[in-house]
Amino acid sequence: EAGVVQSPRYKIIEKKQPVAFWCNPISGHNTLYWYLQNLGQGPELLIRYENEEAVDDSQLPKDRFSAERLKGVDSTLKIQPAELGDSAVYLCASSNRDPGELFFGEGSRLTVL
Amino acid sequence: GENVEQHPSTLSVQEGDSAVIKCTYSDSASNYFPWYKQELGKGPQLIIDIRSNVGEKKDQRIAVTLNKTAKHFSLHITETQPEDSAVYFCAASRSYKLSFGAGTTVTVRA
Repeated sequence: EAGVVQSPRYKIIEKKQPVAFWCNPISGHNTLYWYLQNLGQGPELLIRYENEEAVDDSQLPKDRFSAERLKGVDSTLKIQPAELGDSAVYLCASSNRDPGELFFGEGSRLTVL
Repeated sequence: GENVEQHPSTLSVQEGDSAVIKCTYSDSASNYFPWYKQELGKGPQLIIDIRSNVGEKKDQRIAVTLNKTAKHFSLHITETQPEDSAVYFCAASRSYKLSFGAGTTVTVRA
């Protein structure tokens, strides 16, 4: 069974530029999460989806971040415009039980210059 | 919200020795406590979890203990091997919202 797939793995952009990350969860997992992981820290929840509905986006900085999960499968996280402080790893995870095991992708590492 | 503190931040052990990582949490309503292992360049992977209705759980060389009264839980790795070298995260939640500790970098010396 394929795991959670994320792309791109690495992205380097200049500040004020836009960037988008894509996630394909494990087949059959209705719940999808985006986490932010700063260097030397644990993951922090940005947004949680149940199917196509964002049921918790309280930690998402909505002035520059947006996310969507069309058809309740793949998801995209966008930052526009990016700031220096956005440099981090963006992790996508999916699950089929709450609370239960989260299956993480390998992450998308963003560097903002 | 939930606050999880994890100690130590780094841990170096001789191969074959045991490693212990400790975490405390603040929300007495938390009832789910997973541990994740993250290798370099990879996403975190669940290694063991415990729910608040049990005090201890073991899976081969890994064990987790939970003290609800004191609000702390620990990860024990016995007979450490080089492949145990990684960053370990504890987490706590009472629903879907996991709060992670800051991580412990474990290095197993050959």
